[in-house]
Amino acid sequence: IVMTQSPATLSVSPGDRATLSCRASQSVSSNLAWYQQKPGQAPRLLIYGASTRATDIPARFSGSGSGTDFTLTISSLQSEDFAVYFCQQYNNWPITFGQGTRLEIK
Amino acid sequence: QVQLVQSGAEVNKPGASVKVSCKPSGYTFSEYYIHWVRQAPGQGLEWLGRINSDSGGTDYAQKFQGRVTMTRDTSLSTLYMELRRLESDDTAVYFCARETDTSNCHAFDFWGQGTMVSVSS
Repeated sequence: IVMTQSPATLSVSPGDRATLSCRASQSVSSNLAWYQQKPGQAPRLLIYGASTRATDIPARFSGSGSGTDFTLTISSLQSEDFAVYFCQQYNNWPITFGQGTRLEIK
Repeated sequence: QVQLVQSGAEVNKPGASVKVSCKPSGYTFSEYYIHWVRQAPGQGLEWLGRINSDSGGTDYAQKFQGRVTMTRDTSLSTLYMELRRLESDDTAVYFCARETDTSNCHAFDFWGQGTMVSVSS
């Protein structure tokens, strides 16, 4: 399953809302996760099951969607949120990831 | 607290093999699957496969079948990923990652720090 994220780069001002998209080439039901990755670090799980926040993830992060179209929304961007975000499907083997969206400061 | 500690950076020649280790702590070793994911410089994430830490059973991405082997040593509470017949395209950071304990949820809640594997003649 090919996962396509858009946009490749998103420029947003601190305090504003960011909306990141992920599309699957075929249905993955709700078996989708989102990760945040900062330079030189491992990815960090944000969302699984398309909409369930992982432990200790702030409420400003929310996920939605099912089937082929998914969205990660960050409601009010903080300085620490500027990073690369990846989606991952785990409905079918092999597990596949999107190519990432870079969220940068406007 | 849960931690996964990986072995250090490796430099290898084309055609050689590399074996990366991953030592979890802070939870019962046998209760979780461990996956291996790699990331080439400046690129996205690629899944290599997973191992059942209890039984040792494995599932590999077809792309790596025949070239990758994932094992565990329960006496050392350590997992290993060996990749053979290395090519320059295998240059990447290799991560081990723990699968969540949510039923049928193959997302990864804890990750190792990554091991840089460089392949160059």
